[in-house]
Amino acid sequence: QSALTQPPSASGTPGQRVTISCSGSSSNIGSHTVNWYQQLPGTAPKLLIYSNNQRPSGVPDRFSGSKSGTSASLAISGLQSEDEGDYYCAAWDDSLNVWVFGGGTKLTVL
Amino acid sequence: EVQLLESGGGLVQPGGSLRLSCAASGFTFSDYAMSWVRQAPGKGLEWVSTISGSGGSTYYADSVKGRFTISRDNSKNTLYLQMNSLRAEDTAIYYCANLGAQPPLYFDYWGQGTLVTVSS
Repeated sequence: QSALTQPPSASGTPGQRVTISCSGSSSNIGSHTVNWYQQLPGTAPKLLIYSNNQRPSGVPDRFSGSKSGTSASLAISGLQSEDEGDYYCAAWDDSLNVWVFGGGTKLTVL
Repeated sequence: EVQLLESGGGLVQPGGSLRLSCAASGFTFSDYAMSWVRQAPGKGLEWVSTISGSGGSTYYADSVKGRFTISRDNSKNTLYLQMNSLRAEDTAIYYCANLGAQPPLYFDYWGQGTLVTVSS
């Protein structure tokens, strides 16, 4: 059981907007910034969003992040087939003194 | 261009040991904390360990504390993970990741991973 809770799956059709939620607690998301990682099939994870809503250079602006209280969300607009993969949220946890990840959300483009 | 290249994975029997390495290039290695993150087959990501840029501070997940040791050689731009008393549940792809130089921290760049299989 992960310290951060994500829905196991999400889906959408090309061009649609989808959101993936990440729920935590006061000791992790409530106190620290949230980062999101994208893992395409058969590849290593890649940083997608850092510090709640910042995109690294090279990440399309179709991807956006937000945080409110002890929850965070990743939004993907203009969904494309190449977005299909797994998405993970992560944050530092003060009470456990560990980095915690969400269980991951498998995104399917229908 | 930042590159992280892991090596040292393989098949090991329960109770055995293995040392993973991660060769870094493209950034000032000693300025950055580094981490190991693993992924069991078909499962999600699990943080394993982090070491500060100087090597003076180390952090471990409870699941590996007392069995794994993270270290670094800044003269060789290389990160290590010494894994002892290996268990079947340690079977995973192990990724090294650049954690950043200063807060806010995040796993910035990731290697391609090295597979560790613990089985008799």
